[in-house]
Amino acid sequence: QLVLTQSPSASASLGASVKLTCTLSSGHSSYAIAWHQQQPEKGPRYLMKLNSDGSHSKGDGIPDRFSGSSSGAERYLTISSLQSEDEADYYCQTWGTGPWVFGGGTKLTVL
Amino acid sequence: EVQLVESGGGLVKPGGSLRLSCAASGFTFSSYSMNWVRQAPGKGLEWVSSISSSSSYIYYADSVKGRFTISRDNAKNSLYLQMNSLRAEDTAVYYCAREQRADYWGQGTLVTVSS
Repeated sequence: QLVLTQSPSASASLGASVKLTCTLSSGHSSYAIAWHQQQPEKGPRYLMKLNSDGSHSKGDGIPDRFSGSSSGAERYLTISSLQSEDEADYYCQTWGTGPWVFGGGTKLTVL
Repeated sequence: EVQLVESGGGLVKPGGSLRLSCAASGFTFSSYSMNWVRQAPGKGLEWVSSISSSSSYIYYADSVKGRFTISRDNAKNSLYLQMNSLRAEDTAVYYCAREQRADYWGQGTLVTVSS
């Protein structure tokens, strides 16, 4: 069964970097995922599609501070030079033939 | 500029029906698969349904199968979600999103199912 696992919370200081993780379930390590950001009281915003080889394609207007990487079944979202507006929920999402799957989301707190 | 604008949400009693719409602009609507995703209050994102560009392939989450129907009108650049037999647990903000990677999202429309 295709499942995405995310840590419920993360925190980092203003100006620092943070690396969020999304783990694909066993047997699905070749899947691409997408990362989405949801700021408080707003709708989701597409950040990037991240392939298993680490290549990624970002959405319109997404700053260079956001980058993605992959290792095995792990998919990472790194945010550098953290700003207050980066405080948000971050969701990973994947798809097969048919149903989508979302991770549970990581709530990022910028200290 | 790509825009997705949902409408049709509101308050409905359990067992009732609603039809959501998503108006698309700024891209060739007929070339893209489209999707509905919902978010219950205080909860994460939940995929609801997907439809291919020509409506040939349609998928539903188990939680809505048999009650919800997704459709599209490529001539009107519009996506729809017919929701029947609504339950309290269907209360959520409903978003439409473009393509498998959800590269564009609408602003959402709130559906509240309550007596």
